[in-house]
Amino acid sequence: EIVMTQSPATLSVSPGERATLSCRASQSVDINLAWYQQKPGQAPRLLIYGASTRATGIPARFSGSGSGTQFTLTISSLQSEDFAVYFCQQYNNWLTFGGGTKVEIK
Amino acid sequence: QLQLQESGPGLVKPSETLSLTCTVSGGSVSSSSYYWGWIRQSPGKGLEWIGSIYYVGNTFYNPSLQSRVTMSVDTSKNQFYLSLSSVTAADTALYYCARHESLLGTFDSWGQGTLLTVSS
Repeated sequence: EIVMTQSPATLSVSPGERATLSCRASQSVDINLAWYQQKPGQAPRLLIYGASTRATGIPARFSGSGSGTQFTLTISSLQSEDFAVYFCQQYNNWLTFGGGTKVEIK
Repeated sequence: QLQLQESGPGLVKPSETLSLTCTVSGGSVSSSSYYWGWIRQSPGKGLEWIGSIYYVGNTFYNPSLQSRVTMSVDTSKNQFYLSLSSVTAADTALYYCARHESLLGTFDSWGQGTLLTVSS
C-alpha cells in the first residue's frame, strides 16, 4: 500500500496570505495525485488532479505541483472560504489518501 | 445534476454485517463511463477507499478489507450497495459513496455521507 503523508497537520494563515501544503508518497505515484478540500459537515470536493490540473470550477488561486513522491498544493491568496481541511489522494496503485492538513485562520 | 445519497442503519452490533445503499439521481449507474465507490472517514484512519464497482458488476476492493467486503449494483433501481461483515468498533465511521471516471482515478461527485456506529 502506498502511504501518503501530509504536512503540516495544521497551517495557520492570515486571509490574503499564501498557503503551501505538502504531500509525500511512500513510493512514486508519477503524477497520479489529486487534492481535495473538505469543509465541516461536507463531503470532500475535488480541486486538483494529475498533480496540477484544476478541476472544473476551481479558482486559479489553487495550484498543484510535483511528481514522483513530492507534491505541493498552493493557495496563492487565502479567501475566507478556503479555510478547510485538504487531502491528497494517489491513484497510481489502488487508491489511498493522506491524513489531511487543516488550514485555519491565524 | 448528479446526486448520490447514502442510507443505512446507523447502528450495528459488533460481529454483525453492515449494509449500506447508495441511491444515484441525475445520472445512471449503468453509464459505461464511471465506476462507483465507497469511501469511509474516521478520526483515527482518515479517508479510506473501501472498494468500487462497475455497472456490469465488476468489483474492486481495498486489499486490507477485501475479505469482509461485498459490493453489488442494481441498475433497475439506480443503486449500488456495500456489505461489510464481522464489524468491530474500528469500522465506526462516516461512509461516503462517490463516482469516479476510471478505476484508478479521482472522485468527482460524492454523497453527503452516512454515519455508522458499531456498538453493542
